[in-house]
Amino acid sequence: AQSVTQLDSQVPVFEEAPVELRCNYSSSVSVYLFWYVQYPNQGLQLLLKYLSGSTLVESINGFEAEFNKSQTSFHLRKPSVHISDTAEYFCAVSDLRGSQGNLIFGKGTKLSVKP
Amino acid sequence: EAQVTQNPRYLITVTGKKLTVTCSQNMNHEYMSWYRQDPGLGLRQIYYSMNVEVTDKGDVPEGYKVSRKEKRNFPLILESPSPNQTSLYFCASSDSPSGANVLTFGAGSRLTVL
Repeated sequence: AQSVTQLDSQVPVFEEAPVELRCNYSSSVSVYLFWYVQYPNQGLQLLLKYLSGSTLVESINGFEAEFNKSQTSFHLRKPSVHISDTAEYFCAVSDLRGSQGNLIFGKGTKLSVKP
Repeated sequence: EAQVTQNPRYLITVTGKKLTVTCSQNMNHEYMSWYRQDPGLGLRQIYYSMNVEVTDKGDVPEGYKVSRKEKRNFPLILESPSPNQTSLYFCASSDSPSGANVLTFGAGSRLTVL
């Protein structure tokens, strides 16, 4: 069985500063990795995903995440955050052999961007 | 517009009074799932369904029931709600049960049980 650890429950940062939200996973098999974002009073939506191929994946709004198999990590980064990035971010993992029923979410990291 | 619709969005009820949270998707998705979100615990899966008439327990199924009689609907039933079921509930769906597929979430249903 896999598990996901998001190391920071809250990350406060000033506008235009860089940010990294950390995610580590544990699995005995190869995995798919996802970052979902939840804006205030909304449902979750996909930010980016790693299925295969290039280990660096990017979103349309400037976030990127790198799959590091040796460190079992999938940290999310943005070089310069905006107020509108304030949200809760969830890392999720599912294994290649399994189904959506095996999708596991981390506990979330609340990103708070201050002016 | 492709979406997952949940109702009600907000509900306050009392212990023991049966309630149903409806979930409907218009994308012809095979897979549907219910999650609850609690502070500090993230999202935990309650039940999921691979297709019509196929449902299975997630991590926290106690106190809940589901049914999948038609592809678009996946209601969550609380037969006898208790205060520990006060939570924010999300329904989600995806094109297929493959773990590579992306979930589409509803806007959430905030339930308070007094």
